Amino acid sequence: DADVTQTPRNRITKTGKRIMLECSQTKGHDRMYWYRQDPGLGLRLIYYSFDVKDINKGEISDGYSVSRQAQAKFSLSLESAIPNQTALYFCATSDPGGGWNNWGEQFFGPGTRLTVL
Amino acid sequence: AQKVTQAQTEISVVEKEDVTLDCVYETRDTTYYLFWYKQPPSGELVFLIRRNSFDEQNEISGRYSWNFQKSTSSFNFTITASQVVDSAVYFCALYRGANNLFFGTGTRLTVIP
Repeated sequence: DADVTQTPRNRITKTGKRIMLECSQTKGHDRMYWYRQDPGLGLRLIYYSFDVKDINKGEISDGYSVSRQAQAKFSLSLESAIPNQTALYFCATSDPGGGWNNWGEQFFGPGTRLTVL
Repeated sequence: AQKVTQAQTEISVVEKEDVTLDCVYETRDTTYYLFWYKQPPSGELVFLIRRNSFDEQNEISGRYSWNFQKSTSSFNFTITASQVVDSAVYFCALYRGANNLFFGTGTRLTVIP
C-alpha cells in the first residue's frame, strides 16, 4: 500500500463550490505539506504543518485553508473554488529526525487533479 | 532569496542519445540540499537524488549521473543512452531548511524512438 494517499484522485467542480482534498500517510511523519503544480510553474507550496498544532502558510495560501485532524491526516479546502485553482495538487510528508540523512527529503502522494469550471 | 532555474523548458532527443538537464540555483545559505525529481506522464513525483552542499562529488547511478558545482551554483543531470521510458518532466529543487523545498519550473524531456 502507498505510504501517502490522496483522495480524490480526480475532481471536477464548479465555480463557487466548496471542495476538500484529503491526504493520509502511514509513514509516521510529523510534517505534512500541500503543493499545487501548474504547467510551466513547477510546484508551489500552499500550506505546511509541522505537527497537529502547528500550521503555516506557504507561498500561495490565499483562497485555501487546511486542517490537520491528526498526525496522519492533512486536508486542503477551497472555500469557494475559482477556475484559476484548476491544477494538480500534491500532498507530501517529511521526517525531521535522522539528522543529515533525512534532511529535506519529502515523500509525495500521487496527486489530485482538480478542475474548476 | 532562494531560487531554482531550469532554463530548458522542453528537450527532445532521439533514443540512445545522451542528454543533460541544467539546473542553476541561488541561495545565501551554506548548508542546503539539492534534489532531482522525475514526473512521468502518470503524474506522480519520483525521487531521483539528493545532494548536500558539502559534497561536490559527482554521482552515477546506472544511466543517470549528476554534476554538482558550487562554483557555478549548478546541479546538472545527465541521462546516458536515453530511452523512451525516460520521457518525463524533471524537476530540480533546493532545500535550505524550515522544511521547504523550492522547485524549478521543470524540463519536459521527450525521447523519440
